Amino acid sequence: DQQVKQNSPSLSVQEGRISILNCDYTNSMFDYFLWYKKYPAEGPTFLISISSIKDKNEDGRFTVFLNKSAKHLSLHIVPSQPGDSAVYFCAASAVDSNYQLIWGAGTKLIIKP
Amino acid sequence: GAGVSQSPSNKVTEKGKDVELRCDPISGHTALYWYRQSLGQGLEFLIYFQGNSAPDKSGLPSDRFSAERTGGSVSTLTIQRTQQEDSAVYLCASSSMLAGTGETQYFGPGTRLLVL
Repeated sequence: DQQVKQNSPSLSVQEGRISILNCDYTNSMFDYFLWYKKYPAEGPTFLISISSIKDKNEDGRFTVFLNKSAKHLSLHIVPSQPGDSAVYFCAASAVDSNYQLIWGAGTKLIIKP
Repeated sequence: GAGVSQSPSNKVTEKGKDVELRCDPISGHTALYWYRQSLGQGLEFLIYFQGNSAPDKSGLPSDRFSAERTGGSVSTLTIQRTQQEDSAVYLCASSSMLAGTGETQYFGPGTRLLVL
């Protein structure tokens, strides 16, 4: 039973356009959400996070939106750059799971020149 | 380097053999996590160490898997009598605090295990 779902295994976006990566979750107790980025042969690196008390967090070209009623979050990257090509993982945690991170399967983002 | 390091980077073993995977966390980080990522899957939590507390082993898939953290620093994940389904990338991460309180986990490059 996947508690965190990333339904798009891959996404292709033109350079300069907006990339939108989606993530759905089922556990209403999740109170913290993170996005990680992973290049081949490297470990994931933290990108941006959001607490459940907020609905938006912005950091440069990256913005994460949280819709608690829909149990949905999204990562927006604008403008998309070639170096953004990577696998993006959504992760969530909850106090009742001892703050373990529960991960989605990842979405491979490809930025086309 | 100040990051999380893991060794070996790649490991090929025969079914039935035991393997040991090593993780050196960032100095001073009290929390250490082991995950694995199978092909096409998200990261699967295995085990979590926090300071001197008893580890959270709830993610270990079977009793063939065990982990130790000596002196609150280096950790070793041991898989006994390996099976082909154990083939995956095993990732270690460390954090200065509980992940859910705002601190992030810093990941090592992983160990790619292939069981033939």
